[in-house]
Amino acid sequence: AQKITQTQPGMFVQEKEAVTLDCTYDTSDPSYGLFWYKQPSSGEMIFLIYQGSYDQQNATEGRYSLNFQKARKSANLVISASQLGDSAMYFCAMREIQGAQKLVFGQGTRLTINP
Amino acid sequence: DGGITQSPKYLFRKEGQNVTLSCEQNLNHDAMYWYRQDPGQGLRLIYYSQIVNDFQKGDIAEGYSVSREKKESFPLTVTSAQKNPTAFYLCASSGYGGRMNTEAFFGQGTRLTVV
Repeated sequence: AQKITQTQPGMFVQEKEAVTLDCTYDTSDPSYGLFWYKQPSSGEMIFLIYQGSYDQQNATEGRYSLNFQKARKSANLVISASQLGDSAMYFCAMREIQGAQKLVFGQGTRLTINP
Repeated sequence: DGGITQSPKYLFRKEGQNVTLSCEQNLNHDAMYWYRQDPGQGLRLIYYSQIVNDFQKGDIAEGYSVSREKKESFPLTVTSAQKNPTAFYLCASSGYGGRMNTEAFFGQGTRLTVV
């Protein structure tokens, strides 16, 4: 069954440090996409980065990169040089290509950046 | 501007009432989704639809109903059978058809409170 697991309910990091948010997934579909979203206290969902199951390289978008380890079924988000504005909930999500392409989310990690 | 619009932003429901949450998109997306989010929790999938006149139950469909009569619209009805409906509801849309790198776009959410 399609499943996303985020094991860190909360993370506290000093400003300007790098932070890694963990995400593991389970699927029997060889073709799938992995997404990370940021949710500030306002509630809006902001798309950050995407990784396809057949992509040979790890995805990067500015200060965001995705550490994709397919054999371990992990897709960790790395934020470099953290900023106070990075404080938010972060969600990992997955969509399988087969069937109805359901999009499922993990439980999220609340990241707090300390000055 | 293309986007996805949810209304109302805040909704109050009396015990035993049905209420309908609106979700409209002008992104020409085939897929639409409804999620429920409880405080400090992840997004749980209620219903999703890949094409007009077709939809599937998600993980927590009991007490909810949807329709997809038009590509642009995917309203969610919270029925009286839903015993604990107080939550934040998010609607999303995305492309479909095997393009895995199409991220989902979200509305601003509806905060439903039972009074």
